[in-house]
Amino acid sequence: AQSVAQPEDQVNVAEGNPLTVKCTYSVSGNPYLFWYVQYPNRGLQFLLKYITGDNLVKGSYGFEAEFNKSQTSFHLKKPSALVSDSALYFCAVRQPSSGGYQKVTFGIGTKLQVIP
Amino acid sequence: EAGVAQSPRYKIIEKRQSVAFWCNPISGHATLYWYQQILGQGPKLLIQFQNNGVVDDSQLPKDRFSAERLKGVDSTLKIQPAKLEDSAVYLCASSSEGGLAGGNEQFFGPGTRLTVL
Repeated sequence: AQSVAQPEDQVNVAEGNPLTVKCTYSVSGNPYLFWYVQYPNRGLQFLLKYITGDNLVKGSYGFEAEFNKSQTSFHLKKPSALVSDSALYFCAVRQPSSGGYQKVTFGIGTKLQVIP
Repeated sequence: EAGVAQSPRYKIIEKRQSVAFWCNPISGHATLYWYQQILGQGPKLLIQFQNNGVVDDSQLPKDRFSAERLKGVDSTLKIQPAKLEDSAVYLCASSSEGGLAGGNEQFFGPGTRLTVL
């Protein structure tokens, strides 16, 4: 069974500092990995994904994530945090299949608080 | 393009009552998902449709929850009768499952916040 772990309930970072939100996964074979962001009272928004190829993927709002197969991790990063980045971040994993029917498993989320 | 639409945005009911949620996905998206998000947790998949067929409903409490996607477009999720533990945000999402076979991202609606008293 596939699973996702987000070990930190909350991450606090000062505005302008680099941020990292951690994610590790467990899946059979090569995973599809996603990051989503959720602002208060809104649905989830897609940030970025890893399917194949370059381990460093870039996404929306200056975010990037690095796929590390040996450590089964997909940490989300940003070089310089903004107060507006404060939100709930979800990592998700999907085991690929020919029929595309494997469900996506989400982590429990990490609250990012950027302090002015 | 228009996003995923959901209604209502908020609903308050008493336990044992019934409730229905509606979702209209992004035009052309073949796959539609219903998730339950309880406060402090990540979204949990309830049911996944591919066009108008169910491909995963393993986590749907079928004794009280039902969902349909007639004509492969919009969808309704119903709870009957509701329990206190059904209080959650119900999210609808859609994706275009093309050649990447599951590698396409999902687009989420704003959700329906259900409170069961």
